[in-house]
Amino acid sequence: AQSVAQPEDQVNVAEGNPLTVKCTYSVSGNPYLFWYVQYPNRGLQFLLKYITGDNLVKGSYGFEAEFNKSQTSFHLKKPSALVSDSALYFCAVRDGGTDKLIFGTGTRLQVFP
Amino acid sequence: DVKVTQSSRYLVKRTGEKVFLECVQDMDHENMFWYRQDPGLGLRLIYFSYDVKMKEKGDIPEGYSVSREKKERFSLILESASTNQTSMYLCASSSPGTHNQPQHFGDGTRLSIL
Repeated sequence: AQSVAQPEDQVNVAEGNPLTVKCTYSVSGNPYLFWYVQYPNRGLQFLLKYITGDNLVKGSYGFEAEFNKSQTSFHLKKPSALVSDSALYFCAVRDGGTDKLIFGTGTRLQVFP
Repeated sequence: DVKVTQSSRYLVKRTGEKVFLECVQDMDHENMFWYRQDPGLGLRLIYFSYDVKMKEKGDIPEGYSVSREKKERFSLILESASTNQTSMYLCASSSPGTHNQPQHFGDGTRLSIL
């Protein structure tokens, strides 16, 4: 069965420092991976996706993610964090040949001034 | 831009009531989804629909039903609300299959069952 894991409930980082939010996956076949962000009292917003091709995927708001097949990881990164990046981040994987997504449990990112 | 609109941001209902949550999307998407979001559990799929009048159970369908009479509208129904259905409910829509298009989400309905 497909699954994703977000091992950290919360990540704290100082503004201006690089940030990483971790995600590992388990799939049979090719992985189709997504990152979403959720600001308070809002729905999820799509950040980026990996389907195939370059292992470094660039997305919205300066975020990027690195796909690593050998480590089965898809970590979200940003070179310089902003206080406004503070939010809840979800990793997701496409469920086999369906259009459904399986979501991780989420990681709360807190960026301190 | 895709817009997914959920009819209520906050809703308070009583145990045993029949509750309707409505979702409308404006991008002619075939797929529509209902999730509930609980702290520490992430998003769990309740039901999804890949066409008008078509529906499939997700991971936690018990106590819920859905209706999709028109392509743009997907309704979630709590047949007899219980306190353990207090949660944030999120609706999403997407285009089907081959291009791995992302799901687009509404802003959610925070439902409290008293």
